[in-house]
Amino acid sequence: GQNIDQPTEMTATEGAIVQINCTYQTSGFNGLFWYQQHAGEAPTFLSYNVLDGLEEKGRFSSFLSRSKGYSYLLLKELQMKDSASYLCATLTNSGYALNFGKGTSLLVTP
Amino acid sequence: EPEVTQTPSHQVTQMGQEVILRCVPISNHLYFYWYRQILGQKVEFLVSFYNNEISEKSEIFDDQFSVERPDGSNFTLKIRSTKLEDSAMYFCAIQGGPNEKLFFGSGTQLSVL
Repeated sequence: GQNIDQPTEMTATEGAIVQINCTYQTSGFNGLFWYQQHAGEAPTFLSYNVLDGLEEKGRFSSFLSRSKGYSYLLLKELQMKDSASYLCATLTNSGYALNFGKGTSLLVTP
Repeated sequence: EPEVTQTPSHQVTQMGQEVILRCVPISNHLYFYWYRQILGQKVEFLVSFYNNEISEKSEIFDDQFSVERPDGSNFTLKIRSTKLEDSAMYFCAIQGGPNEKLFFGSGTQLSVL
């Protein structure tokens, strides 16, 4: 089976840095994804990690530790438009479908 | 990014009725998925479809659900006899290959009354 845990809600200030953590348990690991979802919209891809370490992409970075079953998404220079739900997801054992966590709702305040 | 069009954007139906949700991927991606998201809950995997057959399905995808790609372009999800608990946003997604990112359509909001 697969289990993914994320904080339910977080609040941060515009211009600040926020780290959203995700822990997972899978019977087989094929990679970890982060998606962003604004209310009423579809999830959009942010990052993919399959090896340990940090992947940086502009203001967003994602880190993975396979031995600890742990990942985080780091958002820098927060903007109001970053207010959204951030979804951590692992691949199912088939290596194709994604299994999503419940998501972390981030509120960016002025 | 590849484009995935879903129709209709909203569907209201009576309990027990059949509904068909449509997805048109504007690309040559090979893997197709349906996900659903009940209001306030997580995005849940329903089914994956590859080479004109189901490759994986979840416990949610019971005998009331079916998928097909009849003409090589449209990818459909049929719910034979809708229940109140089927009310959700249904997302179609496409993928180029295993371990690759999924691109989601804008979704169909299904309301079962």
